[in-house]
Amino acid sequence: EIAMTQSPATLSVSPGERATLSCRASQSVTYDLAWYQQKPGQAPRLLIYGASTRATGIPARFSGSGSGTEFTLTISSLQSEDFAVYYCQQYNNWPPLTFGGGTKVEIK
Amino acid sequence: EVQLVESGGGLVQPGGSLRLSCAASGFTFSNYAMSWVRQAPGKGLEWVSVISGTGGITYFADSVKGRFTISRDNSRNTLYLQLNSLRAEDTAVYYCAKDFQVSPMGATGGFDWWGQGTLVTVSS
Repeated sequence: EIAMTQSPATLSVSPGERATLSCRASQSVTYDLAWYQQKPGQAPRLLIYGASTRATGIPARFSGSGSGTEFTLTISSLQSEDFAVYYCQQYNNWPPLTFGGGTKVEIK
Repeated sequence: EVQLVESGGGLVQPGGSLRLSCAASGFTFSNYAMSWVRQAPGKGLEWVSVISGTGGITYFADSVKGRFTISRDNSRNTLYLQLNSLRAEDTAVYYCAKDFQVSPMGATGGFDWWGQGTLVTVSS
């Protein structure tokens, strides 16, 4: 089973600042990595797949990078609606499909 | 627009059973694998099970293997999850999720649409 580790667990950022979230896989997942955003009481929403491809309708301030075992989600200029929990997920070697534990982005 | 609407959750005693449903619309249901993903209160996301578009391939997380069954009715555009021998640790919101690539015979494993979830509470 591939373990996904996200850091930090909580990120405090001021509106307008850049946020950088990390995700590490216990073994290579090549580019088969997705990022999701989840707001309280809502279902997750796909942001990024293939490590760096934005899903339909996702603003350009969200970008993904990385390959193999190290991945990054960057939010270039945080908007009020971006404060949420973000999860990474690998879909390279499964079952099982595995998610990271999440990074909560909160207002500083 | 794609819509996924779950139903069937509720309060059940340990050892009991439930059947969850997910009604899909806005896409050719039989062309896509579908999964169930759950989230315990205050916790992260846990993948539970997947079924291919044709229904011929299914996989389960070890935590539910032998207790849960996944199925689909492509004529009704509906996905199901049968939960048996329920335990307190199965308490969670259960989401159905659509695979993001067309693949009737298989599954990619990434999800582009999610339902709003249905809460299953296992307690005496």
